[in-house]
Formats: sequence, C-alpha cells, structure tokens
Amino acid sequence: GQNIDQPTEMTATEGAIVQINCTYQTSGFNGLFWYQQHAGEAPTFLSYNVLDGLEEKGRFSSFLSRSKGYSYLLLKELQMKDSASYLCAVRDRKAAGNKLTFGGGTRVLVKP
Amino acid sequence: KAGVTQTPRYLIKTRGQQVTLSCSPISGHRSVSWYQQTPGQGLQFLFEYFSETQRNKGNFPGRFSGRQFSNSRSEMNVSTLELGDSALYLCASSSDRGRNEQFFGPGTRLTVL
Repeated sequence: GQNIDQPTEMTATEGAIVQINCTYQTSGFNGLFWYQQHAGEAPTFLSYNVLDGLEEKGRFSSFLSRSKGYSYLLLKELQMKDSASYLCAVRDRKAAGNKLTFGGGTRVLVKP
Repeated sequence: KAGVTQTPRYLIKTRGQQVTLSCSPISGHRSVSWYQQTPGQGLQFLFEYFSETQRNKGNFPGRFSGRQFSNSRSEMNVSTLELGDSALYLCASSSDRGRNEQFFGPGTRLTVL
C-alpha cells in the first residue's frame, strides 16, 4: 500500500518562499505529482517528478529523492492567489495506468 | 480543447436512494478515474476505466460501481446511499501517454440526508 504525509497547514507572507514537504512509503513508485486546489474548485496539475532531482517551472519547483521517499514543492515570490491547498500524489508502479494515492493536502495561507 | 465536464454539479439525496454521476473526459482521453473527496479522508481513489474496462480499483464497498462507454464518457453509481457518502466526487481524465497527468473536472457535490 501507499502512505503519504504532508503538513496540514502553512502560513507565509506575500513575496516570501514556502517549501511544502511530502514523504511517502510505497510498495511501488511510478511518479509523484503535485496539484493545487483552490477552495471549491477542482485540483489543477502543477508538477511531475519521476527521476531524482529538481524540476523548475516558473515560480514553482518540485524536488524528488526516491531513495528517501521525499519530495518538496517550492513556491517562490508568493502571491495572494497562491493561497490554496497543495496535494502530493504518488502513482503506483504495480498498477497499470493511473492509480494515484493522495496525501491529505497542505493548506497554504498567504498573508499581505 | 474543452475540459472535463461533470453532471450534475450538485445533488441532494436521502439515505437508501441510489445516484448516478456522469463524466465526459477531454476529447481524445481514454482513461477516466473517479475520486471521492471529504474533509476527513481527503482525496481517495475509487476506480479507473480505460477503453470501457475497469483497470484499477480502490478500497470502496461494492455499492460503488462505474462503467465507461465507447465514447470514453463514464458514469459512476452509488447504491443504498449512506450519510457518509456525502462528498465531492471528482472525475479525472488522462491521455495514457507521457507523464500521464490527470485533468480534473469540477466535481459533483453529493449531499445525503
């Protein structure tokens, strides 16, 4: 089975940087996703890591260490609109296709 | 390209009833997955359909079922509704190629009274 942990809530100031950690234990690994979900809306895809290292996309970066079962999402130059929940999800290697296990989500509150 | 659509957006049912939710994936996507989202349990995987066949299944009771049609549209059904089935039901489609990220629909908010 899969077990995914991430902090419940984080608060940061506009313009600052926030790092959201995600640790996972899995019987098989085939990629890690980060999604953003604003209140009352559907999750939207942010990033994907399947190999170790850093993936950068604008203000958002995601890092993966498969040996440590660890990932983080880095949000730079925070804006008020970044207030949302951030979901870490792992794809099971043993299952064909898509079977994602999600963490509980980290609610990020950006303050002025 | 149109996104994933789900109908209805809101639904109120009573215990014991059954409900059918519909999902139309992004054009060209053949994989459709269903998730249940609640404040206490977060996002939980229900099942995935690909080419009209259930390819993966989560740990939900048999009251939860689904199907996929030849045009990739999918339905999920919940029979004998319980209060605990109140949740946001999200459908996601993917291309089954490359990184294969899932694109989520807006969800159906089900309330069971």
